[in-house]
Amino acid sequence: QSALTQPRSVSGSPGQSVTISCTGTSSDVGGYNFVSWYQQHPGKAPKVMIYDVYKRPSGVPDRFSGSKSGNTASLTISGLQAEDDADYYCCSYAGRYTWVFGGGTKLTVL
Amino acid sequence: EVQLVESGGGLEQPGRSLRLSCAASGFTFDDSAMHWVRLVPGRGLEWVSYISWNSGNIGYADSVKGRFTISRDSAKNSLYLQMNSLRVEDTALYYCAKGVRGNPYYFDYWGQGTLVTVSS
Repeated sequence: QSALTQPRSVSGSPGQSVTISCTGTSSDVGGYNFVSWYQQHPGKAPKVMIYDVYKRPSGVPDRFSGSKSGNTASLTISGLQAEDDADYYCCSYAGRYTWVFGGGTKLTVL
Repeated sequence: EVQLVESGGGLEQPGRSLRLSCAASGFTFDDSAMHWVRLVPGRGLEWVSYISWNSGNIGYADSVKGRFTISRDSAKNSLYLQMNSLRVEDTALYYCAKGVRGNPYYFDYWGQGTLVTVSS
C-alpha cells in the first residue's frame, strides 16, 4: 500500500489549463477503473470532483476532466478560476477492500 | 441533506485507546458502504478502513491493521472506529466518508472530521 505519486505543486494563471498526474502500479491505478479525485480547501472537508476515472458528479463544472493511461491517471482543469486554488488528491481502489491516496498536489492559481 | 458528524477525538498517550464515532443522517445508512480516512499533517489524506453495507466485507490500511477495528450499528445509524495501541503517527484529523449505493469505490460525502492527537 504505497501512496500514489503526485507532483507536490502545480500552478497556472486564470483561464489556463493544468494537468495533475497520479502514478501508481498495476495493483491499483492500472488494475482498476476506480480512480477518483478530491479537492480540498484549507479547513474544509474533501469534495469529490471525478470518480471512476472520468465521471463527474452532478454540480462539478465540466472544466474538470479525468483520464487514465496504464498506471497513470490525470486530472485536467481547464479555464482556471480563482476558486480552483486548493489541494487535489487522487485515490484508487487497490483490491481486497483497500484504497490508496496520492500524496496531494497544491494547485496555485496565479 | 446528508450529514456525517464525527466525535470521540482528543489527546491520548501512545499505547492507549480511543473510540471514534460517526453519526449519519439524511440517507439510507443501511444501503451505504462507509470509510474512515485521515488527514495527516504534512502528508495528506490516508485511507484507513472500509466496511460494507452489511459489515460482510471489511478492509484496513496496513498501517492500522491489527490495531484498529471498524464497525457499524444500523439501529443507531452510526459508524465506529476502535483505535488501540495508539502511536504518535496516528495523529491526524479523522473523517468518516460514505460510499455511493452500488458503488463503494469513491467517497461522495464527508464529515468535518474529529482530531486525534497522540502524544506523551
